[in-house]
Amino acid sequence: EAGVTQSPTHLIKTRGQQATLRCSPISGHTSVYWYQQALGLGLQFLLWYDEGEERNRGNFPPRFSGRQFPNYSSELNVNALELEDSALYLCASSREDRARETQYFGPGTRLLVL
Amino acid sequence: GNSVTQMEGPVTLSEEAFLTINCTYTATGYPSLFWYVQYPGEGLQLLLKATKADDKGSNKGFEATYRKETTSFHLEKGSVQVSDSAVYFCALSDQRGGSYIPTFGRGTSLIVHP
Repeated sequence: EAGVTQSPTHLIKTRGQQATLRCSPISGHTSVYWYQQALGLGLQFLLWYDEGEERNRGNFPPRFSGRQFPNYSSELNVNALELEDSALYLCASSREDRARETQYFGPGTRLLVL
Repeated sequence: GNSVTQMEGPVTLSEEAFLTINCTYTATGYPSLFWYVQYPGEGLQLLLKATKADDKGSNKGFEATYRKETTSFHLEKGSVQVSDSAVYFCALSDQRGGSYIPTFGRGTSLIVHP
């Protein structure tokens, strides 16, 4: 069974640009979560998508957005990039009954904003 | 709201030493508890989990017991190896009111010397 995949592995952008990150969940998983892992800050919850809808979002500005497609893959878009957006962005997926389910993480996309 | 507090690192040990990484939580419901591990340059992997009070999760020589009375889920290993060097995250999940947001601790870095 293939795990969670993310692309690209690395992304370099300049301030003000837009970044698009992609995630494919494990087959059969309907929920996708996005996290930001900035240096020294642990995991910060960004967004939760389930069945194509945004279910919840963390304490991030609206320039962080995304969507989930009918095949349950997901995109995270970051507009008007700022230097502090440089971080590892992790995607995770889970099955139903999410409260008791393990999240399976992808390897992440490392975003560098210059 | 929910929160997870982990001991600050880095924790530095010699090979074959005993490991304890403390984790305490606050939650309004009955959460599931998890330990994830992140090896250098990789995403998070589930290490072990426990879904109800007094459950013990175990994997690869690591274990943790869900202690509701002390709201703790401390990670232990009897004899660490150099290959255990990684960052360890304690996490909880709690579904209440139709909303579900996983909560992670800030992570504890473990360095094991030969």
